Amino acid sequence: AQKITQTQPGMFVQEKEAVTLDCTYDTSDPSYGLFWYKQPSSGEMIFLIYQGSYDQQNATEGRYSLNFQKARKSANLVISASQLGDSAMYFCAMRQFTTSGTYKYIFGTGTRLKVLA
Amino acid sequence: KAGVTQTPRYLIKTRGQQVTLSCSPISGHRSVSWYQQTPGQGLQFLFEYFSETQRNKGNFPGRFSGRQFSNSRSEMNVSTLELGDSALYLCASSLGQYNEKLFFGSGTQLSVL
Repeated sequence: AQKITQTQPGMFVQEKEAVTLDCTYDTSDPSYGLFWYKQPSSGEMIFLIYQGSYDQQNATEGRYSLNFQKARKSANLVISASQLGDSAMYFCAMRQFTTSGTYKYIFGTGTRLKVLA
Repeated sequence: KAGVTQTPRYLIKTRGQQVTLSCSPISGHRSVSWYQQTPGQGLQFLFEYFSETQRNKGNFPGRFSGRQFSNSRSEMNVSTLELGDSALYLCASSLGQYNEKLFFGSGTQLSVL
């Protein structure tokens, strides 16, 4: 069954340093999409970055990059130059096709990141 | 462009009651999906609506239902509330096409006493 696993329930990072949040996934579909979302204390989920299963290069969006290792089924998020405002919950998600030909998302359990001044 | 709007922001109910939550998607978005978020289970998919039709459904009991109106606004209803229904309910909208990101609202925090 399709599944997303985030093994780090919580992490600390010093301001201005880089941090990697782990995500592994399990799917038998050759075509899928991987997403990272940030959820600050306000509750709203904010899109960060997207990687398609056929994309040859790792996705980057500003200070965010996705370390995509397809053979290992991992899609780790790297945040460079951490800022205090990066303190939040981070979710990895995968878009999967359903038997009805449509799609839905599954989410990991999240990693709570705390950036220290 | 206005974002996804969910109302109410907070709700307190007692067991056995029913509740209706509302979601207004971004203008032009035809897909609305609902998620239940709890500390123990993370985000669990409830259902997705596209052009007034339920396109997908998660593994929730029949007490959870939803609908979408012609203007793409969506409501979800939970009947006969249980303590375990206490959660943050998130609504997300998108155009409804493949490989696109979801836009989320701030959620409705439901507490069942």
